[in-house]
Amino acid sequence: NAGVTQTPKFQVLKTGQSMTLQCAQDMNHNSMYWYRQDPGMGLRLIYYSASEGTTDKGEVPNGYNVSRLNKREFSLRLESAAPSQTSVYFCASTGGLSYEQYFGPGTRLTVT
Amino acid sequence: AQTVTQSQPEMSVQEAETVTLSCTYDTSESNYYLFWYKQPPSRQMILVIRQEAYKQQNATENRFSVNFQKAAKSFSLKISDSQLGDTAMYFCAFMMGAGTASKLTFGTGTRLQVTL
Repeated sequence: NAGVTQTPKFQVLKTGQSMTLQCAQDMNHNSMYWYRQDPGMGLRLIYYSASEGTTDKGEVPNGYNVSRLNKREFSLRLESAAPSQTSVYFCASTGGLSYEQYFGPGTRLTVT
Repeated sequence: AQTVTQSQPEMSVQEAETVTLSCTYDTSESNYYLFWYKQPPSRQMILVIRQEAYKQQNATENRFSVNFQKAAKSFSLKISDSQLGDTAMYFCAFMMGAGTASKLTFGTGTRLQVTL
């Protein structure tokens, strides 16, 4: 039982490049989330998927797109990376009545 | 929109001592959940403790306990018998109740250093 996995763990991009961050969970959770963490800002919600087939914007969605590929997988895409998107990205999932969110290990992304 | 405020950017405590981290939040909802997450240098987010707003009893998990004051919208975390492994960033988080997609709103965090 791996929980929530994210790939890659580290990535360096040049301004204007695109990439997709992958996230998968094996806990049969309905809801999945993408957050970004910046120094002094805590974690902020980018996009979420309350259930398979639905996605919604969070607090900071500009510059990102998401795909809920199936119940297990939720990807985050940067179409044209900008230095302001340098951050640590976390994927999380939740299911059941405990409302606990389980987090992946994070991806450190640097855009130069 | 809900907001979560952690007014202590950094704190330090000696091993075996007790420390309290502060958190206040703002909401007009009556049904919600509050959480404390720990983020050690490994970067992994770890749930420390959870409190349901409808429960009057304060949650406790081993050395970790909360002081939940609903009227004051305060949710502080007390760590007893601090250990070196407690050194980490601590985030307070708010979640609205059922039917709201369980989105978390985080505070900006408190960096706790446990010293010998």
